[in-house]
Amino acid sequence: QVQLQESGPGLVKSSETLSLTCTVSGGSVSSLDSKWTWVRQPPGKGLEWIGIIWPNAKTIYNTSLGGRVTISRDTSNNQFSLSLSSVTAADTAVYYCARVPASNEVLDRWGHGTLVTVSS
Amino acid sequence: DIVMTQSPASLGVSLGGKATINCKSSQSVLYNLNNKNCLAWYQQKPGQAPRLLIYWASYRETGVPDRFTGSGSGTDFTLTINSLQAEDVAVYYCHQYYITPFTFGPGTKVDIK
Repeated sequence: QVQLQESGPGLVKSSETLSLTCTVSGGSVSSLDSKWTWVRQPPGKGLEWIGIIWPNAKTIYNTSLGGRVTISRDTSNNQFSLSLSSVTAADTAVYYCARVPASNEVLDRWGHGTLVTVSS
Repeated sequence: DIVMTQSPASLGVSLGGKATINCKSSQSVLYNLNNKNCLAWYQQKPGQAPRLLIYWASYRETGVPDRFTGSGSGTDFTLTINSLQAEDVAVYYCHQYYITPFTFGPGTKVDIK
């Protein structure tokens, strides 16, 4: 059973870079049967897809984030990461990492989520 | 981007009753190569991560009770919860995975009436 766990600072200053890591267990970030994604949810609001990384390390990002996003992976530690630069208060959200099976693009395994607050 | 809308925004249903949630996409999410709709439903309980319920519009994820049923095609979809249980109180989101950026509906909150 694949499990995911987000980690990273819960507080980031405005204009700085938000960095989060997702540690995967029960599966491999380089496995051909999975892709890995980030989704965020501002407090009390809906879900926003951030981007995805494929087994070959190809990435696709949500252009609404204006080129501020980078998703990468560390196969030696079985982790993938999110970097979001030049953050503002609008980036305050619960950030989730999730698995996407190769057979479709749904998010079938999720981490618990981590709240990141952007302070001024 | 494909815009997803849901109705109603919230609804109250009696225990044992039926909940019907509608989802509409701004363009068709029918994937011609397999003739399946790239539409999923998630359940999110307070303080928890979303949980996948339905994919390909009508396929139930393993372990999801059969009182949850997805239907629809093209741009119009429905999630039906039959015989509502107390543990079904949650927000339900539809999600299109036809094209990036993948997008979600705004959610429908289901409560006990």
